[in-house]
Amino acid sequence: NFMLTQSHSVSGSPGKTVTISCTRSSGTIASNYVQWYQQRPGSAPTTVIYEDDQRPSGVPDRFSGSIDSSSNSASLTISGLITEDEADYYCQSYDNTNHVFGGGTRLTVL
Amino acid sequence: QLQLQESGPGLVKPSETLSLTCTVSGDSISSSSYYWGWIRQPPGKGLEWIGSMYYSGHTYYNPSLKSRVTISIDTSKNQFSLKLSSVTAADTAVYYCARQFSYVSSFYWGQGTLVTVSS
Repeated sequence: NFMLTQSHSVSGSPGKTVTISCTRSSGTIASNYVQWYQQRPGSAPTTVIYEDDQRPSGVPDRFSGSIDSSSNSASLTISGLITEDEADYYCQSYDNTNHVFGGGTRLTVL
Repeated sequence: QLQLQESGPGLVKPSETLSLTCTVSGDSISSSSYYWGWIRQPPGKGLEWIGSMYYSGHTYYNPSLKSRVTISIDTSKNQFSLKLSSVTAADTAVYYCARQFSYVSSFYWGQGTLVTVSS
């Protein structure tokens, strides 16, 4: 089994840009899609990025996803931060028989 | 629009079996080639995938929970269910049901239900 490791927390000021990373412990990050979920307090997660870099309809283009094979990691970038972006963010990927979530990153908008 | 609604006891005794049902509206379990699954989140902690079932009946379970988990589908009621046996306090969590278009796609989540394991 593999693990996905995320930094515990990140912060940024309104209008700024933050990047949340997700590193895969074994297996190639590019071989399996990575999804990103936003979870506000008391609510269920919702998808903000799917299939590495695709945005669902309704998700603003301030959210973008990417893959870096050299570091075996995925990244979620949020630009033009607003207070409503304050939430927990989880990456998720899979192998042939198992789905794995990262431990989550708490984004604070200062 | 798809809606997923979890239901079941909010309190389960240690060593007993946790049983939850997810009622699907806005789509038919039997007519769509989707995956139907369960994910949980202990209070204040992260997400853990429990398992998924393809509409045809094939199941995939988290290796760490596999010996205690059963997921099943009831097409007549448009529902799918989770059973987790021999529960302990460590199984206390919000349990979410979810749908995937395919095994590799993202999850679409229900609103979740809190299950507490306590005597």
